[in-house]
Amino acid sequence: DADVTQTPRNRITKTGKRIMLECSQTKGHDRMYWYRQDPGLGLRLIYYSFDVKDINKGEISDGYSVSRQAQAKFSLSLESAIPNQTALYFCATSLPGSSYNEQFFGPGTRLTVL
Amino acid sequence: AQSVTQLDSHVSVSEGTPVLLRCNYSSSYSPSLFWYVQHPNKGLQLLLKYTSAATLVKGINGFEAEFKKSETSFHLTKPSAHMSDAAEYFCVVSDDSQGGSEKLVFGKGTKLTVNP
Repeated sequence: DADVTQTPRNRITKTGKRIMLECSQTKGHDRMYWYRQDPGLGLRLIYYSFDVKDINKGEISDGYSVSRQAQAKFSLSLESAIPNQTALYFCATSLPGSSYNEQFFGPGTRLTVL
Repeated sequence: AQSVTQLDSHVSVSEGTPVLLRCNYSSSYSPSLFWYVQHPNKGLQLLLKYTSAATLVKGINGFEAEFKKSETSFHLTKPSAHMSDAAEYFCVVSDDSQGGSEKLVFGKGTKLTVNP
């Protein structure tokens, strides 16, 4: 079945380390998104990409960077991780078109920065 | 910009009783609205979406929501709760303020507990 996968599923790292979270999708969707979820805050958009050559900052992009290596792959990097980046990170995809297209979410990556 | 407010951070019901999860939205456009569900240690799954075709929207697992423009509300309901409904629920609005950006704006979530 077509799917959105994220690796790793869990990661513990130390302050100052560089870390990359990866997202792959087999849905054939052009649009991909990275969110972080914090308890009591819902999901907040970090970056989004409408195609391989189109990258846009979201609500909370500071401290993060992304790379769209191919239509199916969208990676999120923390160049120098800090403890307040401890969160649950979700990748999502959608079809282009009108705003009522749903987004399909991966299972999440739980990141802990010590 | 669009926003949503989920009026309850926690809701607790008994199995077999009705569920009501409240959501108000703020939008200067005709909004697209969604409810997503997140079961423990899982990703998010779409329950239902409002896209202006009908004000009463039926979703999966017996959930439905009614769009009320006059009250700027999009409350989620279910007639009879099941233990498997225990999860966190997110009300979401599509942010079209930048013209076709199609970004989603999430509420802070309502955690539903179902007691036996």
